[in-house]
Amino acid sequence: ETGVTQTPRHLVMGMTNKKSLKCEQHLGHNAMYWYKQSAKKPLELMFVYSLEERVENNSVPSRFSPECPNSSHLFLHLHTLQPEDSALYLCASSQERLGGEQFFGPGTRLTVL
Amino acid sequence: DAKTTQPTSMDCAEGRAANLPCNHSTISGNEYVYWYRQIHSQGPQYIIHGLKNNETNEMASLIITEDRKSSTLILPHATLRDTAVYYCIVSYLGSQFYFGTGTSLTVIP
Repeated sequence: ETGVTQTPRHLVMGMTNKKSLKCEQHLGHNAMYWYKQSAKKPLELMFVYSLEERVENNSVPSRFSPECPNSSHLFLHLHTLQPEDSALYLCASSQERLGGEQFFGPGTRLTVL
Repeated sequence: DAKTTQPTSMDCAEGRAANLPCNHSTISGNEYVYWYRQIHSQGPQYIIHGLKNNETNEMASLIITEDRKSSTLILPHATLRDTAVYYCIVSYLGSQFYFGTGTSLTVIP
C-alpha cells in the first residue's frame, strides 16, 4: 500500500463511451501525476498538477481530460478513445512538484474496443 | 528522453547480491539519481535516491561513482519477490522523470 488508490482497476470501453478514472492520495501531497504505460513501452508522463493547477501537459490528445478538484483527488476523463489508447494508466503523487520521490497507485488497466 | 543506460536484462541467484548498473554520463551537478522498480502490471515502487554520496535504506544500497557518471543499485540478498523491472532515473528535484526501458531482473531459485 503506497497511500495512492486508483479506481477502477480494470476498464473495458467502446470507442464512443465516456468514462472516468479516479485517483486518490492519502499522503497529504501537493502534486499529482497521470502516466500512461503502453505494452512494452516506457512510462509516459501525461499531466502534472501542483496545488490543483495543471502545470504540465505533454502533448496529450484532447480526448483525455484531467481534473483536479482538490489536492487529494485526480480524475482522468476519457471520451471517444481509440484502440491504441489501451494501456495501463498510473497515478502518482509527491509532496511537492519539486519534491522528488513519487508514490504510485496500482494503475487502471484500460482496454478500448 | 532517458538520460541513462541500463542493461536490458539480468539474472541473479536467490540469496545472492544483485548489482544493477546504470550509466548517466551526462548528469549535471544538480540532478539526483533515483531508482524505482515495477513488478509486473503494478505501479512503480520507489527504492532509493542520491546525489553524490552512497545511500542505504532497508531495501537497497546505492553506490554513485565519484565522477557521478555511473551508479550501482545493490539488493544485498535477492529474493524471488525482487523479480521486477528496475529503472534508473536522473532528475533535477521534481522535474520530469523519464523512466526508460529499465533492467528486467530475474531472481532464480
